[in-house]
Amino acid sequence: EPEVTQTPSHQVTQMGQEVILRCVPISNHLYFYWYRQILGQKVEFLVSFYNNEISEKSEIFDDQFSVERPDGSNFTLKIRSTKLEDSAMYFCASIPGQVPSYNSPLHFGNGTRLTVT
Amino acid sequence: GQNIDQPTEMTATEGAIVQINCTYQTSGFNGLFWYQQHAGEAPTFLSYNVLDGLEEKGRFSSFLSRSKGYSYLLLKELQMKDSASYLCAVKNTGFQKLVFGTGTRLLVSP
Repeated sequence: EPEVTQTPSHQVTQMGQEVILRCVPISNHLYFYWYRQILGQKVEFLVSFYNNEISEKSEIFDDQFSVERPDGSNFTLKIRSTKLEDSAMYFCASIPGQVPSYNSPLHFGNGTRLTVT
Repeated sequence: GQNIDQPTEMTATEGAIVQINCTYQTSGFNGLFWYQQHAGEAPTFLSYNVLDGLEEKGRFSSFLSRSKGYSYLLLKELQMKDSASYLCAVKNTGFQKLVFGTGTRLLVSP
């Protein structure tokens, strides 16, 4: 079964540095998402992306965050100047189809564990 | 606002049945999903309800009451590998966003 793949699996960075987290969604999927999960806490929505633009974003997704689909396959999340509190597992997800049905589940990647020191 | 509540932790023994409850108050509703998440791994889809009633899928069943803002996940014939967190998530209107509850950590003992 096709998978959402994320790289790297683990990223360590210093506070203030920029990081780019990469995702390759399943090929015929058109809705893309980033979620994050701070250790021991719930999975939180960051942003959704459709038709090459942000469709919705949460209050967490401030000016330090950006997303891009630079080519037909990759979907990236950039954090411009990382803070200690950005340490979390970041999950990419996607939904299939041109017009997803309401019961279409999100397919999650295995995540990137970001550690900011 | 949006609020999705689940018990933090539950324990059960192998072979037993366990029911994990979820209550929600959300600004829109296009269905409720249950996911399983093992420690350090991605959530994986278990079940979906949009109409009231019970959906059965092998050892797992999920129930929804929209008027009560209530759902439960029923796990039968528990196995050790069922030890995981179980996440209740509501799909809002709009761009298919899922809003997750805090998750219930289930520990299955021999």
